[in-house]
Amino acid sequence: AQSVSQHNHHVILSEAASLELGCNYSYGGTVNLFWYVQYPGQHLQLLLKYFSGDPLVKGIKGFEAEFIKSKFSFNLRKPSVQWSDTAEYFCAVTSGGSYIPTFGRGTSLIVHP
Amino acid sequence: GAVVSQHPSWVICKSGTSVKIECRSLDFQATTMFWYRQFPKQSLMLMATSNEGSKATYEQGVEKDKFLINHASLTLSTLTVTSAHPEDSSFYICSARSETGTGEAFFGQGTRLTVV
Repeated sequence: AQSVSQHNHHVILSEAASLELGCNYSYGGTVNLFWYVQYPGQHLQLLLKYFSGDPLVKGIKGFEAEFIKSKFSFNLRKPSVQWSDTAEYFCAVTSGGSYIPTFGRGTSLIVHP
Repeated sequence: GAVVSQHPSWVICKSGTSVKIECRSLDFQATTMFWYRQFPKQSLMLMATSNEGSKATYEQGVEKDKFLINHASLTLSTLTVTSAHPEDSSFYICSARSETGTGEAFFGQGTRLTVV
C-alpha cells in the first residue's frame, strides 16, 4: 500500500522567510501528486497538482512544488511567506489507477507578522 | 474550481442519538464521493467511498452499521452517525470527485461533531 510522509509537523516562520515543506511517498509506479491547504476554520483547497510533464509545478498564491521521481519527493516551496499563509498543509498521492488520494499527516505552518 | 457543500458545519448531539451529515456537489455531478475523518493534528483517514446508486465501500475498521452512507443522487451523499458516542466526536470531511478534466477531488468544509 502506498504511504505519504510529511517530515515537518510544525513549522514557524517570520514573514518574508522562505518555505520548503517536505513530502515523500512510497509507490514505485505512476503517481499523481497534490498539495492541499486548510486555512483555520475552512475546508481543504487545492494548492497545486502534478500529473505529468514539467516536474516543477506552479500553483496558486506563489506556491510551487518539484516532483523528483528518483527521490520519491514532491516538496512544496514558497520564496517569501506571508502571515496569511498560516494554515495546515497536506500532501496527497494517487497511484496505480486509483483515484482515492492518500494523505500525509499534515504540516502546521505558523507565520509571524 | 468546483464547489462541494457540507452541512451542517458543526453539530452537538447527545450520546445515543443519530446525526446526519449532507454532502452536495453544487455545480457538477459526482458519481463518487468520499468520506473522511480527521482527528486533531492528524491526517485525513478515509472512511468509505460512496458510489451513486450502489452500496458504499468501507475501509477496514470502519463500522458499516454505525456510519451509514447513502448516495441517492449524483449530487448528494449523506453520512449518518448512528447511536453516537463521545468517541465519535471528530471532524468529518466529504469529498466529491469530478469525472471531467483531471478528475481531481474537491472537498467540503467539514463537519465538527461533538457528542456529549
